[in-house]
Amino acid sequence: QVQLQESGPGLVKPSQTLSLTCTVSGGSMNSGNYYWSWIRQPAGKGLEWIGRVYTSGSTNYNPSLKRRVTMSVDTSKNQFSLKLSSVTASDTAVYYCARDSVECTAGSCYLWFDPWGQGTLVTVSS
Amino acid sequence: DIQMTQSPSSLSASVGDRVTITCRASQNIINYLNWYQQKPGKAPKILMYGASSLQSGVPSRFSGSGSGTDFTLTISSLQPEDFATYHCQQTYTTSPWTFGQGTRVEIK
Repeated sequence: QVQLQESGPGLVKPSQTLSLTCTVSGGSMNSGNYYWSWIRQPAGKGLEWIGRVYTSGSTNYNPSLKRRVTMSVDTSKNQFSLKLSSVTASDTAVYYCARDSVECTAGSCYLWFDPWGQGTLVTVSS
Repeated sequence: DIQMTQSPSSLSASVGDRVTITCRASQNIINYLNWYQQKPGKAPKILMYGASSLQSGVPSRFSGSGSGTDFTLTISSLQPEDFATYHCQQTYTTSPWTFGQGTRVEIK
């Protein structure tokens, strides 16, 4: 079964760029028409979708973060990445990567995130 | 953005209780509504999609209902492993997908 694992620095200084990678194992990113998403969760708070990338490199970003977000994919390494620039303390959160799963029935297509990585805590502090 | 509001924010219940959590969308999302369960220190796990379709492997004591703007997640008989935080998510529009703030289910 497909598994995801986030990796990257756990501490980033204010104004710098947060960089994370998600490695996909147990299957090829190219098999199936999947988008791959990043989601974050500040401590004690709700979930925020950051954006997603397709294996072609096509992206969709949350408008609230769009100015600072870049996502990319490297299918040869079975990895996709997140860069968030000009970080502040409010970007401190657990960052998750996840696969967009889709099922279409009776003319409607439903999407959900599954599976997820275990999450990685990124703290923004000097 | 479509705002998702869950109620209550937290609740205390006993094993065997029937528990209902509500999620309200700020506009009509038809039935593009997911429910996730999250345990401390873990990633969320999908329970329900399309408002009422149970994900494979999820116990039948979980059920979902609703359409339009009002949705509910019901646990018919709360089990010890169900104590967790539950999140709703709308996928009606990708710009952006949004989650509720979560409902924490605690042991009474």
